Amino acid sequence: GQSLEQPSEVTAVEGAIVQINCTYQTSGFYGLSWYQQHDGGAPTFLSYNALDGLEETGRFSSFLSRSDSYGYLLLQELQMKDSASYFCAVDSNSGYALNFGKGTSLLVTP
Amino acid sequence: DGGITQSPKYLFRKEGQNVTLSCEQNLNHDAMYWYRQDPGQGLRLIYYSQIVNDFQKGDIAEGYSVSREKKESFPLTVTSAQKNPTAFYLCASSPQGASEQFFGPGTRLTVL
Repeated sequence: GQSLEQPSEVTAVEGAIVQINCTYQTSGFYGLSWYQQHDGGAPTFLSYNALDGLEETGRFSSFLSRSDSYGYLLLQELQMKDSASYFCAVDSNSGYALNFGKGTSLLVTP
Repeated sequence: DGGITQSPKYLFRKEGQNVTLSCEQNLNHDAMYWYRQDPGQGLRLIYYSQIVNDFQKGDIAEGYSVSREKKESFPLTVTSAQKNPTAFYLCASSPQGASEQFFGPGTRLTVL
């Protein structure tokens, strides 16, 4: 079977840094993606890691360790608008169907 | 503007009725997907299509059917065989082999 584990909830203060972890067990692995979803909205793509290491895109960074089946999303300089759910997703079939985790609800407080 | 549209945003149906959810994209993407999301849960794959006239079952295909007669369109039918159809349904598309999927705004289906 395939499974992805991430914390259900995280709370952080505006301006701080937060890390959302994701561990996975899948039969195949091509890459790990991160998506953001605001309440009632559509998920939007944040990042994709196919190789080990850190990918940086503005305030957001994503890390992957294939040997540990582990990745994380790092959000810096948190803003109130970052309050949303964040999903990790494994691409186990070369760019096609994704397997999503259950999501981490991030609450940014003043 | 290019994008993915889903209609309607909210849909109500009586138990036992089939209902078809629309998904259209003008991004010229080859691949399209249907996901189901329940409260506090991740997205679960229902069906996906990599090319016109071809589609594959996802993890929870039972009680659903799809068609892909045109590249732009991938409608999902929720049949009366689906035991718990009330959910938020999301359609997505991507270029073939791409890592990023683009999502539509979703349809919230409530079966009474």
